[in-house]
Amino acid sequence: DTAVSQTPKYLVTQMGNDKSIKCEQNLGHDTMYWYKQDSKKFLKIMFSYNNKELIINETVPNRFSPKSPDKAHLNLHINSLELGDSAVYFCASSRVVGVHQQETQYFGPGTRLLVL
Amino acid sequence: EDQVTQSPEALRLQEGESSSLNCSYTVSGLRGLFWYRQDPGKGPEFLFTLYSAGEEKEKERLKATLTKKESFLHITAPKPEDSATYLCAVQAPLGGNKLVFGAGTILRVKS
Repeated sequence: DTAVSQTPKYLVTQMGNDKSIKCEQNLGHDTMYWYKQDSKKFLKIMFSYNNKELIINETVPNRFSPKSPDKAHLNLHINSLELGDSAVYFCASSRVVGVHQQETQYFGPGTRLLVL
Repeated sequence: EDQVTQSPEALRLQEGESSSLNCSYTVSGLRGLFWYRQDPGKGPEFLFTLYSAGEEKEKERLKATLTKKESFLHITAPKPEDSATYLCAVQAPLGGNKLVFGAGTILRVKS
């Protein structure tokens, strides 16, 4: 059973296009995240939603807009794609662990976006 | 600003040659330190969470330890299938539970 799934796995598109990436988790978690992994393999947080409410919004261009229709889904829409948007985008979800309330985040397989 | 530095950037080992990966961090009020493994073309796979200095966790050939400034991932008698990128991340109380990742250590184990 896939815990965190993303579609599509690969996305090749032209500059200026608008595209969406979808994420679904079947772990019963209430928090979901979008991370970007650039060519240097650095993973950086973009957004986080808790119970459909946006709780993290890092310094990301306005062209990126997340949407969470319910706790199990988090989508990422990107307008006017630029060459610099080429990267791997990972979705993650988390649960509360023990009395410390730290959250272990589980990642999806990633969406490889290439903008030409 | 929360910061995570991993060393070395890359490590080549012979099968059976034990070694350690380092993760040094600067964070105000550590809530958790996480180790992940990432294989090429895949998402990070969770390995360990450490909460406080002195804590240790083990899984097969891997053992993670934590001090107030750094964490080590010890690999005992590695096998070729341990080859991957190992990522360290910290979670701070501020910032909505986001993870701040290091750049990772690429481990290659040759038979």
